[in-house]
Amino acid sequence: KAGVTQTPRYLIKTRGQQVTLSCSPISGHRSVSWYQQTPGQGLQFLFEYFSETQRNKGNFPGRFSGRQFSNSRSEMNVSTLELGDSALYLCASSHPGEGSTGELFFGEGSRLTVL
Amino acid sequence: AQSVTQLGSHVSVSEGALVLLRCNYSSSVPPYLFWYVQYPNQGLQLLLKYTSAATLVKGINGFEAEFKKSETSFHLTKPSAHMSDAAEYFCAVRVSGGSYIPTFGRGTSLIVHP
Repeated sequence: KAGVTQTPRYLIKTRGQQVTLSCSPISGHRSVSWYQQTPGQGLQFLFEYFSETQRNKGNFPGRFSGRQFSNSRSEMNVSTLELGDSALYLCASSHPGEGSTGELFFGEGSRLTVL
Repeated sequence: AQSVTQLGSHVSVSEGALVLLRCNYSSSVPPYLFWYVQYPNQGLQLLLKYTSAATLVKGINGFEAEFKKSETSFHLTKPSAHMSDAAEYFCAVRVSGGSYIPTFGRGTSLIVHP
């Protein structure tokens, strides 16, 4: 089974621009979660999508948004980039269901640098 | 509400020495507990998980963790550290029957000296 695939792996943007990151979950996984990882704040939960619906949301401003498609692939978008948005963005998929432990399978991340 | 505390942002050991990474959790209902490892420039990978079947859980790469309800702890251990164990380790908790979103600790960086 292929793992979670995130693209692009690295990208550089300037302040005020916007960025879109993509995540393809493991086949059969219908839940996709996004996390922001920075040295100062650790892993912070952004949002979770299940069957094309946002089911959970973290405490991030509205500049951060996401969506999920019918094939479970997900994208997240950050508009009006700020220097503080520089981070590793991690996507994780899981197969929630009856008796599931909620184990997450992570991609390798997209490292965003905002100049 | 659930929470996780990892004691020590950095742990340094010599190669061959015991590895002990501490994790304490707070949960009002029976939890699921996880340890993940993150190697440089990679995503997180599951090391092991506790799902109420057995209190001593064995994972990959020789790691194991023991669930102690009385101490609300789930410490990660490995008898003999290897250079390749150098990585960031995250403890996470998720309550059974609740949100599927786990709560992660701040992480502990394991440094292994030759």
